[in-house]
Amino acid sequence: EAGVTQFPSHSVIEKGQTVTLRCDPISGHDNLYWYRRVMGKEIKFLLHFVKESKQDESGMPNNRFLAERTGGTYSTLKVQPAELEDSGVYFCASNGAGFTDTQYFGPGTRLTVL
Amino acid sequence: AQSVTQLGSHVSVSEGALVLLRCNYSSSVPPYLFWYVQYPNQGLQLLLKYTSAATLVKGINGFEAEFKKSETSFHLTKPSAHMSDAAEYFCAVSEGFGNEKLTFGTGTRLTIIP
Repeated sequence: EAGVTQFPSHSVIEKGQTVTLRCDPISGHDNLYWYRRVMGKEIKFLLHFVKESKQDESGMPNNRFLAERTGGTYSTLKVQPAELEDSGVYFCASNGAGFTDTQYFGPGTRLTVL
Repeated sequence: AQSVTQLGSHVSVSEGALVLLRCNYSSSVPPYLFWYVQYPNQGLQLLLKYTSAATLVKGINGFEAEFKKSETSFHLTKPSAHMSDAAEYFCAVSEGFGNEKLTFGTGTRLTIIP
């Protein structure tokens, strides 16, 4: 069974540009989460999808970030326009039904904004 | 609100020595607690989790952790360190159903001395 995959693995963009990150969860997982780790700091929650609906988006930093999960399968996270402080590693995780179910993480996308 | 404190951003132990990584949590409800490990160039992998069953939790690769409510702690231990244990370790807490997001500590990088 394939794990959580993320694309791209690295992205280097200039301030003001747009970047779209993609996450493919484990097949059949209804829950999808986005997290971010800024250099040297803790991994922080961004948002949680249940199927195609946003269950919790309390961690989204501002309206430059837009997450979608059309059809309840893969998800995209768009940053527009990117700022220097958006640099970091963006992780995606998924799990099935049940709050004690393990969240399985992808390898992350390292975003560098110059 | 929930939070996690990991004491020691870097820990070094000799091969064969005891590994002890400290984690203290704060939660307004009975918590669910997790330890994740990140090996170089990989995603986060679950080591073990506490979900209100046995307070001593055994995980993969010989690791275990004990939930101590009175001390609000969930320290990770391994009796004998291997070179392959070198990685970054993250403690996380979740409030469970309805609030499944993980709140992470800042991570502890474990170095094994030959």
